[in-house]
Amino acid sequence: KAGVTQTPRYLIKTRGQQVTLSCSPISGHRSVSWYQQTPGQGLQFLFEYFSETQRNKGNFPGRFSGRQFSNSRSEMNVSTLELGDSALYLCASSLEGATDTQYFGPGTRLTVL
Amino acid sequence: DQQVKQNSPSLSVQEGRISILNCDYTNSMFDYFLWYKKYPAEGPTFLISISSIKDKNEDGRFTVFLNKSAKHLSLHIVPSQPGDSAVYFCAASTQGGSEKLVFGKGTKLTVNP
Repeated sequence: KAGVTQTPRYLIKTRGQQVTLSCSPISGHRSVSWYQQTPGQGLQFLFEYFSETQRNKGNFPGRFSGRQFSNSRSEMNVSTLELGDSALYLCASSLEGATDTQYFGPGTRLTVL
Repeated sequence: DQQVKQNSPSLSVQEGRISILNCDYTNSMFDYFLWYKKYPAEGPTFLISISSIKDKNEDGRFTVFLNKSAKHLSLHIVPSQPGDSAVYFCAASTQGGSEKLVFGKGTKLTVNP
């Protein structure tokens, strides 16, 4: 089975711009979660989508949004980028939810200049 | 408020010895715990988990111990191998299949040959 794929792997943007990151889960997985990893904060939960619906949301501002398509692929959007948004964004998929094993993608490294 | 804490940012051990990674949590509602391992430029990979109804779970060289009264868990790796060198994340969630994972900030383990 193919693993979780994330595109692009690296991205450089400037402050004020917006960005869209993509995640393709493992085939058959219906839950997709997004995390932000920074050196100071570790992995922080952004949101989880299940069957095209946002099921859980972390403590991030409304500039961070996401969606899930009928094929379970998910996108994450960050608008009005700030320098502090520079991070590794990880996507994880699982069959049903958090207590199932989550399989992570390699991440998208976003740098905001 | 950090609900899952890994107080040691780094740990160095000799090959063949035991590695003990520690994790503390504050939320008494957590009843499912996981350890993930992360190599540079890769996403975290699931290592081992434990439910709160158990106090120990073993998988090969990896054993996780849970002390609910102390709200503490630990990961033991015996014997440690150079390939175990990675960042280890502790994570916790509540049962139900729809709750988010809360991660610690990670401990960087270095196993010296």
